[in-house]
Parts: sequence; structure tokens; C-alpha cells
Amino acid sequence: DSGVTQTPKHLITATGQRVTLRCSPRSGDLSVYWYQQSLDQGLQFLIQYYNGEERAKGNILERFSAQQFPDLHSELNLSSLELGDSALYFCASSAWDSTQETQYFGPGTRLLVL
Amino acid sequence: DAKTTQPTSMDCAEGRAANLPCNHSTISGNEYVYWYRQIHSQGPQYIIHGLKNNETNEMASLIITEDRKSSTLILPHATLRDTAVYYCIVRVAPYSGAGSYQLTFGKGTKLSVIP
Repeated sequence: DSGVTQTPKHLITATGQRVTLRCSPRSGDLSVYWYQQSLDQGLQFLIQYYNGEERAKGNILERFSAQQFPDLHSELNLSSLELGDSALYFCASSAWDSTQETQYFGPGTRLLVL
Repeated sequence: DAKTTQPTSMDCAEGRAANLPCNHSTISGNEYVYWYRQIHSQGPQYIIHGLKNNETNEMASLIITEDRKSSTLILPHATLRDTAVYYCIVRVAPYSGAGSYQLTFGKGTKLSVIP
């Protein structure tokens, strides 16, 4: 158990719909990363937040957005869903020990768009 | 970040050492080698990292060649639970807790531990 929680575990929805994925980082971790894992693209970085502020963006579609709240949990919002958005979505929180940064991943949310 | 090359798959007998190679010939002086693994669609799990010296922890050992162009992850006594995809990732050295250090995953090596 990494200490990072994600809800829901599974999500089935239809094309055109909007969903929200939730991530709670490990206690004390300020940084949250979101990754998408699809069969054809592998694990790809989407976006990072640090202490409530967006810090970096990767291959995130304009239909996707995220935010990090004052209690440090984060949400990834996916809208106008397409079949190709079906994937595993992982969040990771980051631990910094003055010399190194290690990412701890949650169990993921499996999204199926029908 | 430097690109890495790993074999697509490997087999290892249970109880034997698993040696997973990684080539990173374009690595820069300020880049570390990290290893993560993913067990069957679970979230990736950190294993170990190193700069130029060999490293060991409770999970594995990391051997980095002197020229730093390649490395080997060693699982000393592989068990069935070590069956997973292993990712070798090269990344710049972190300098701040507020920095951005996203991981770039390749296809990794699928390790199958055989009973």
C-alpha cells in the first residue's frame, strides 16, 4: 500500500459524458502527478500540481483539466469523453527528502467509455 | 531526459537472481537512473535509483557501469510476486521539493518468474 488513494476504482460511462477522478496523496506530500496508461500509448504524464498550483503539463488534452485543493487532494476532470479516453488513470504523490524525489503511485482508476 | 533501451521480455527461475539490463548511452552527468515496476495494472512501484555508484536496498541492487551508459537491476532471489513490467527511467537530478520531475516511461521489460 503506497498510501495514495484513488476513487473510484472503476468507472463506466458513455461518449460525450464528463467524469471526475479523485486522488488523495500521502500525508505530507505536496506534489501530485497524473498519468494515463492506455494500451497503445503506455504510461504518459498528464499534469502536475504542487501545493495547489499547476506546475507542469504533459500530453493532456484540452478536454481534460485538473485541480488541487487546499487539503491537497486532487481531481482530474475529463469531459466530452471519447472511446479513446478509455484507460487507466494513475495519480502519484511525491516525497522529497532534501536530496531525492520519489513518486508513490495510487492503485489507479480504470475508465471505460462506451 | 535521456532515452533508455530495455529488452522486451525476460524469464527467470524462481529463487534465482534476475538481472535486468538497461542502456542509456546518452545520459547526462546530472541525470539519475531510476527503476520502477508495475505488477499487473497496479500503480507503478519505486524500486531503486542511482547516479554513478552501485546501490542496494531491501528490494534490489543497481549496478551502473563506470561510463554510466548502461545499468543492471538485480533482484537477488526472484519470487513469483516479482513478475511485473520493469521500467528503467533516466531523469535529471531533483534540486527542489517544488520542482517538476515527471517520469517518462518506456515500454519496459516484462519479467516472468517461472516456478
